[in-house]
Amino acid sequence: AQSVTQLDSQVPVFEEAPVELRCNYSSSVSVYLFWYVQYPNQGLQLLLKYLSGSTLVESINGFEAEFNKSQTSFHLRKPSVHISDTAEYFCAVSPSYSGAGSYQLTFGKGTKLSVIP
Amino acid sequence: EAQVTQNPRYLITVTGKKLTVTCSQNMNHEYMSWYRQDPGLGLRQIYYSMNVEVTDKGDVPEGYKVSRKEKRNFPLILESPSPNQTSLYFCASRESGRAYNEQFFGPGTRLTVL
Repeated sequence: AQSVTQLDSQVPVFEEAPVELRCNYSSSVSVYLFWYVQYPNQGLQLLLKYLSGSTLVESINGFEAEFNKSQTSFHLRKPSVHISDTAEYFCAVSPSYSGAGSYQLTFGKGTKLSVIP
Repeated sequence: EAQVTQNPRYLITVTGKKLTVTCSQNMNHEYMSWYRQDPGLGLRQIYYSMNVEVTDKGDVPEGYKVSRKEKRNFPLILESPSPNQTSLYFCASRESGRAYNEQFFGPGTRLTVL
């Protein structure tokens, strides 16, 4: 079984400041890792994912996340946030093997990012 | 446009009155799923379906039913709603069962049970 811990439920940050949203996971098997974003009054959208290869993955809107196997973390960062980044961010994990259970995504409880003008 | 649609978007009902929330996707996805989102609890999976006529329980299935008679539709049924089912519900779909495929979410249904 997998579990995901998002260490901060709310993160306020000033516009153009950097931000880091923390995510730690627990799993007895290798995993795939995801960040989803939920803008106000919308469903979730995939922001970025780590499957294999380079441990640093990037999104098209300037976010990046780094997979750290030894620390079982997948923190999300952005060097300069915009008002439009205000949203709730969810970290998620799934097993990387094939077979029973491999289709399940386990979500963290979410981090609300509020960008202050 | 590729999308997952849900209806209704908002619903207020009373305890015990059966209701159905519809979900439809136009991407020919095999896998579909229902989640509920509650403050401080994140998303919890209610039921999922690997394909037509194949459904299974998620983490919080009590009080809910689903069916998958067609590939594109996956309705969520509350036979006798109770106030603790007041929540924001999301339907999602993805290609095949593997979780590395992007999961597409509907816009959500906000349900209030009085």
